[in-house]
Amino acid sequence: AQKVTQAQTEISVVEKEDVTLDCVYETRDTTYYLFWYKQPPSGELVFLIRRNSFDEQNEISGRYSWNFQKSTSSFNFTITASQVVDSAVYFCALTPPGDFGNEKLTFGTGTRLTIIP
Amino acid sequence: NAGVTQTPKFRVLKTGQSMTLLCAQDMNHEYMYWYRQDPGMGLRLIHYSVGEGTTAKGEVPDGYNVSRLKKQNFLLGLESAAPSQTSVYFCASSHGGAHSYEQYFGPGTRLTVT
Repeated sequence: AQKVTQAQTEISVVEKEDVTLDCVYETRDTTYYLFWYKQPPSGELVFLIRRNSFDEQNEISGRYSWNFQKSTSSFNFTITASQVVDSAVYFCALTPPGDFGNEKLTFGTGTRLTIIP
Repeated sequence: NAGVTQTPKFRVLKTGQSMTLLCAQDMNHEYMYWYRQDPGMGLRLIHYSVGEGTTAKGEVPDGYNVSRLKKQNFLLGLESAAPSQTSVYFCASSHGGAHSYEQYFGPGTRLTVT
């Protein structure tokens, strides 16, 4: 069975501070995919990143960076120099590969991030 | 491109009433999904489809039915609504195949059952 744990239910930081959102996962599959989604106050879910378990390189996209550590089953998300527009609920998710792997996408319970101006 | 659209955006039902939620995507995606989102529980998969004419059960299928008569549309039906089905419903779509592509979500439907 798959499981995604986002232990941080809510985080508040002052604007321009850096913040890291934790994601720990459990899976018996040797190959899998990890995702991060953002849900702003408007409600829609926005795709941020997809990562294959074979690729352990960290990724940076502007102020966003992701640290994937297979040894600790973690896929953490860092926002540098946070902005008010980063306020949202962030979800980590996991799925195995395979022709029908998408249906087994497992979401964490989300971390609500509030950036204080 | 509209991406994934959902109709309606809001709905209030009385217990026992029925309704259908419509999801449409214009990205030619093979896979489509229906999720529900409840406070503190993240998103849970209700039903999904891997192609036109196919459907399958997800994690929480009871009380719901789905149909995928056209590739671009995925309908979610509630035959006899219950207060436990009060939730926000999201439709999503993605490419199919072995590489578990990202899912694109609609704006959601907020359903209240009284």
